[in-house]
Amino acid sequence: AQRVTQPEKLLSVFKGAPVELKCNYSYSGSPELFWYVQYSRQRLQLLLRHISRESIKGFTADLNKGETSFHLKKPFAQEEDSAMYYCALRAGSYQLTFGKGTKLSVIP
Amino acid sequence: EAGVTQFPSHSVIEKGQTVTLRCDPISGHDNLYWYRRVMGKEIKFLLHFVKESKQDESGMPNNRFLAERTGGTYSTLKVQPAELEDSGVYFCASSQMGYEQFFGPGTRLTVL
Repeated sequence: AQRVTQPEKLLSVFKGAPVELKCNYSYSGSPELFWYVQYSRQRLQLLLRHISRESIKGFTADLNKGETSFHLKKPFAQEEDSAMYYCALRAGSYQLTFGKGTKLSVIP
Repeated sequence: EAGVTQFPSHSVIEKGQTVTLRCDPISGHDNLYWYRRVMGKEIKFLLHFVKESKQDESGMPNNRFLAERTGGTYSTLKVQPAELEDSGVYFCASSQMGYEQFFGPGTRLTVL
């Protein structure tokens, strides 16, 4: 069965500092990986997916199959980045498997 | 365009009672999903509809949970009878084919 691990429950960084939210997965095949974000009092929304290989709001994530990781990175954190971030995997079906989430707090 | 809507936003019931949650997907989305986040745990898949048919209900915890999607539009998730461990946030999502899943705001269920 597939599994997604986000080792950090909470990550605090200062504004302007680099951010890296870690995500590791376990799945024997070739999964699709996603990052979802939930801002305060808003609904869960897709931030980016690995197959699109794009940068959204300055965030990027590279799928590393050797390390089974999909870490989310941003070179300079902004206060508006404070939110819950969920890594998710889709493998062989439409359902998403989520990690427990990491709360990012950007300190002004 | 209206997003996925869920009703109610909060529900507080006593153990043994029945609760019905409703989800209205984005118009034209044939795929509808239910997920649940129990306190301290990850968001977990419950089931997936394609139009009115249950495509995958492997995540449904037990037979106290019944999901329906009559006519392939809105969906309901009934919990009968509710237990304490059913407390959590229930999310609904919809999508076209295998594309991006759009989530609703969730229903927070508290079972006392």
